[in-house]
Amino acid sequence: AQTVTQSQPEMSVQEAETVTLSCTYDTSESDYYLFWYKQPPSRQMILVIRQEAYKQQNATENRFSVNFQKAAKSFSLKISDSQLGDAAMYFCAYGAGGGADGLTFGKGTHLIIQP
Amino acid sequence: GAVVSQHPSWVICKSGTSVKIECRSLDFQATTMFWYRQFPKQSLMLMATSNEGSKATYEQGVEKDKFLINHASLTLSTLTVTSAHPEDSSFYICSARRDRGLGGYTFGSGTRLTVV
Repeated sequence: AQTVTQSQPEMSVQEAETVTLSCTYDTSESDYYLFWYKQPPSRQMILVIRQEAYKQQNATENRFSVNFQKAAKSFSLKISDSQLGDAAMYFCAYGAGGGADGLTFGKGTHLIIQP
Repeated sequence: GAVVSQHPSWVICKSGTSVKIECRSLDFQATTMFWYRQFPKQSLMLMATSNEGSKATYEQGVEKDKFLINHASLTLSTLTVTSAHPEDSSFYICSARRDRGLGGYTFGSGTRLTVV
């Protein structure tokens, strides 16, 4: 079974600074996707960034980028120029490439932005 | 595009009654929808996978007779919590796949269920 591990229950960063959230996963599949989702207090799940396992290039979305290390099964999220609106729970998630299965989520990291 | 509507957003019910939660894909067809459960300050746990026109597939430990799932059309899946008890109180979230193999998952806004 696939597992996703987020080892940082909580992280704190100063506004405008950069923070990196860690995620590791375990799978025997070769075709899969990795995701970072943001869950603000409203509890709506918001997709931050997505990475296809077959792509070597790290995904980037504006201030958000990932460091995908496939051999090490590591998928960290870097948030640059942190903003107050970035404060939320961040979940790392794994999805099998076939698409028939739901996502496996890590336990989440609570990100605090200090003004 | 790719909007998933979940209704109701919150519901309070008495023990022993049943509650139905609806999940609709508004602007795309979803042959597969997923139901998750999230306890306070915890992660999302997949409960079941709902396929249009066929029986749902439940994760290990999820009681299929308590959590009835129906996916009668390409845009609607429902989760019915039968004979609800206080321990069923939780946050339930649905998700729909837009495109097979492209990693396109869209989430509903969730339903907070409180059983009293």
